Amino acid sequence: NAGVTQTPKFRVLKTGQSMTLLCAQDMNHEYMYWYRQDPGMGLRLIHYSVGEGTTAKGEVPDGYNVSRLKKQNFLLGLESAAPSQTSVYFCASSYFLANTYEQYFGPGTRLTVT
Amino acid sequence: GQQVMQIPQYQHVQEGEDFTTYCNSSTTLSNIQWYKQRPGGHPVFLIQLVKSGEVKKQKRLTFQFGEAKKNSSLHITATQTTDVGTYFCAGPNAGNNRKLIWGLGTSLAVNP
Repeated sequence: NAGVTQTPKFRVLKTGQSMTLLCAQDMNHEYMYWYRQDPGMGLRLIHYSVGEGTTAKGEVPDGYNVSRLKKQNFLLGLESAAPSQTSVYFCASSYFLANTYEQYFGPGTRLTVT
Repeated sequence: GQQVMQIPQYQHVQEGEDFTTYCNSSTTLSNIQWYKQRPGGHPVFLIQLVKSGEVKKQKRLTFQFGEAKKNSSLHITATQTTDVGTYFCAGPNAGNNRKLIWGLGTSLAVNP
């Protein structure tokens, strides 16, 4: 049981380049989330999904797009990277059962945009 | 909007000393969760509290949920170097409980 995995672990982009971050979970969780974490800012929700084929915006969605074509995968895309998107990106997943929905996090992707 | 505030932001203790972090919500919460993130790591779920006044213990960690379900605390007895990290609390968004509202975390440093 791998839990939540993220690829890549590290990436350096130049301004204007695009990339896709991949999150995969093998726990059959319905819900998946993308967060970014910056020093002093805690965890900020970018986008989330409550099921296959559905996505919704979080607190800071601008500059990002997502897709959830398969239940186990949640992709985060940056179409035109900006230095402000330098951050650590975490994917998380959870089930929702009787008011219990702890989130399981992946190891993170450290992205630098120059 | 709904907010979850944590204090202190940082805490530096000598190994063996106790540590407490506090979490205060602007709204009543149906539950509160606590996570720990080690330096360079990812958040890891510690516990969820649901009932008013609930107290749960995990070895040297004691978690409390306030009577009004608007505040919570995490107390560590006799800290060890393995306790180093950032402790986050989070509660469900009142308008959409599929999302969590996160505190900014309390970073704990322990001097051996």
